[in-house]
Amino acid sequence: KQEVTQIPAALSVPEGENLVLNCSFTDSAIYNLQWFRQDPGKGLTSLLLIQSSQREQTSGRLNASLDKSSGRSTLYIAASQPGDSATYLCAVRRISGTYKYIFGTGTRLKVLA
Amino acid sequence: DGGITQSPKYLFRKEGQNVTLSCEQNLNHDAMYWYRQDPGQGLRLIYYSQIVNDFQKGDIAEGYSVSREKKESFPLTVTSAQKNPTAFYLCASSSLSSGGWVSYNEQFFGPGTRLTVL
Repeated sequence: KQEVTQIPAALSVPEGENLVLNCSFTDSAIYNLQWFRQDPGKGLTSLLLIQSSQREQTSGRLNASLDKSSGRSTLYIAASQPGDSATYLCAVRRISGTYKYIFGTGTRLKVLA
Repeated sequence: DGGITQSPKYLFRKEGQNVTLSCEQNLNHDAMYWYRQDPGQGLRLIYYSQIVNDFQKGDIAEGYSVSREKKESFPLTVTSAQKNPTAFYLCASSSLSSGGWVSYNEQFFGPGTRLTVL
């Protein structure tokens, strides 16, 4: 059974710091992995999608990496800003024929001005 | 303006009452999903549909029902059998095509509906 873990559950950093968020999964047979951002009381916003054949994806100040063999993905945020404060979730889609995604519980990030 | 809409934003249910949450998408996506989110927990899958007139139970389908009569619509009914329905409900959709320039299987979410039992 696929399980997805995000540690730490919460993180506070000063503005301008580079930071790394972690996502671990127990079954390496994944189809893809997706990172999301969620603001309080809002829906999820897709940040980056990494297919199983890819090692990383970049969008602006964000870089996501994928290491299937170790069951890990990291989301790197460069030069953090107060506007980056949100909960970040990762989700994996299993390699089987279904289109189900398994979500982690998220990391709540606060960037202090 | 493409996207996913959910209505209402807030919904209140009395004991023993069925309520229906609306989800509409104009992204021409084949797959649609319903998730439930509780404080401090990840998203849990209620139902999903890969094609019109077909849907599958997720991990917590008891007390819920869905229909998929049109590609763009996937309403969720919370029945009186759901004993603890107070939660934030999120609808999502994704393309099932592969290859090309499309970020296939990327999930997009609606703004959510917060359901409270009175």
